Amino acid sequence: DAGVTQSPTHLIKTRGQQVTLRCSPKSGHDTVSWYQQALGQGPQFIFQYYEEEERQRGNFPDRFSGHQFPNYSSELNVNALLLGDSALYLCASSLAGGNQPQHFGDGTRLSIL
Amino acid sequence: AQTVTQSQPEMSVQEAETVTLSCTYDTSESDYYLFWYKQPPSRQMILVIRQEAYKQQNATENRFSVNFQKAAKSFSLKISDSQLGDAAMYFCAYRTPYSGGGADGLTFGKGTHLIIQP
Repeated sequence: DAGVTQSPTHLIKTRGQQVTLRCSPKSGHDTVSWYQQALGQGPQFIFQYYEEEERQRGNFPDRFSGHQFPNYSSELNVNALLLGDSALYLCASSLAGGNQPQHFGDGTRLSIL
Repeated sequence: AQTVTQSQPEMSVQEAETVTLSCTYDTSESDYYLFWYKQPPSRQMILVIRQEAYKQQNATENRFSVNFQKAAKSFSLKISDSQLGDAAMYFCAYRTPYSGGGADGLTFGKGTHLIIQP
């Protein structure tokens, strides 16, 4: 049973560019959340998708956007990249309803030059 | 806004000994969930243990147990018989139930780096 998979593993971009990160949830999960983890910090919640709609959003600018597809996979898009966007981006999936724990992927390491 | 504080940036323990990691949180909610996650160098965040705020009994998972003090807003993690494989960053996390079901976004602390000395 495959867990949460993210691609790519590593990515290098320059300031001002745009990037798309991808996430496939654990089999059977329908809710996907994205987190940004700066070096030496705890993850910060970006947003959550459920039934192809953004359901909840953390304190991130509109440069961060996302999408969820009918198969529950998700993309995170970041426009106009800044040096401060360099971080590990984690995707987590869960079942809807009740007290369901979030299962995390291995993350995408994004470096901005 | 909810906040989670981990006051110990780093902790060190001898193999086979017991260690306690501290976590406090701030919330005005009465119903919420608390978690401890482990993040080894492989980067994947792994759930260690969770606690529902409405349950008075402290959660236990094998060598891992918590001391949940709701009035003090404290949620510490005790690791018994520490093993080399326990070495990792440990994050305390909080979330509230979402009225529409599913899992809300987690609020994490800054983490505690646990070192296991052989």
